[in-house]
Amino acid sequence: GAVVSQHPSWVICKSGTSVKIECRSLDFQATTMFWYRQFPKQSLMLMATSNEGSKATYEQGVEKDKFLINHASLTLSTLTVTSAHPEDSSFYICSAPGTGHYNEQFFGPGTRLTVL
Amino acid sequence: GENVEQHPSTLSVQEGDSAVIKCTYSDSASNYFPWYKQELGKGPQLIIDIRSNVGEKKDQRIAVTLNKTAKHFSLHITETQPEDSAVYFCAASMWNTGNQFYFGTGTSLTVIP
Repeated sequence: GAVVSQHPSWVICKSGTSVKIECRSLDFQATTMFWYRQFPKQSLMLMATSNEGSKATYEQGVEKDKFLINHASLTLSTLTVTSAHPEDSSFYICSAPGTGHYNEQFFGPGTRLTVL
Repeated sequence: GENVEQHPSTLSVQEGDSAVIKCTYSDSASNYFPWYKQELGKGPQLIIDIRSNVGEKKDQRIAVTLNKTAKHFSLHITETQPEDSAVYFCAASMWNTGNQFYFGTGTSLTVIP
């Protein structure tokens, strides 16, 4: 099946710094990728839709200038958390839709961000 | 927009018993309903899915049923094993929203040996 990878798997940073998370589709191309945030014991909340070659679409309440998304190629999307603060600590997960007829999505393993 | 509700939030069963998790959705246009298993510190893994033109689908110990009229779908796990312990999420999706998924709130399943 389709494989989505994320890097890094975990990161610890100081408050005020920026952190970049990569999401790659390893054996298929993805013109669209999705970024989710998951707080402990909660569900996945869609943050934004990453579109290759165009601007990302952000969900209501998600700060565009804080969570920068770049979909530079058909296999790579990056999420940069700018000026991170402790409340940004969370589990960030990306996904990419498959190429099948229906809306299968393949999820990455997630990135645990801890902001001190 | 779509609203997906999931029950129960926690579920404990004895090894070998069955587990049932239920989800309801609000938008009749949803046509794809996957179930994901998430282990601690990992991303969700698709375990089974069902499409709106099918009422039931089974894969070994796992089955999913869909009632389009009532707008609800359920996950059934039979002969549960300790390794089934995880958080399970249902989701609903529509064709005209660019593959966007709406997730349920999750069910923490514990299988007691």
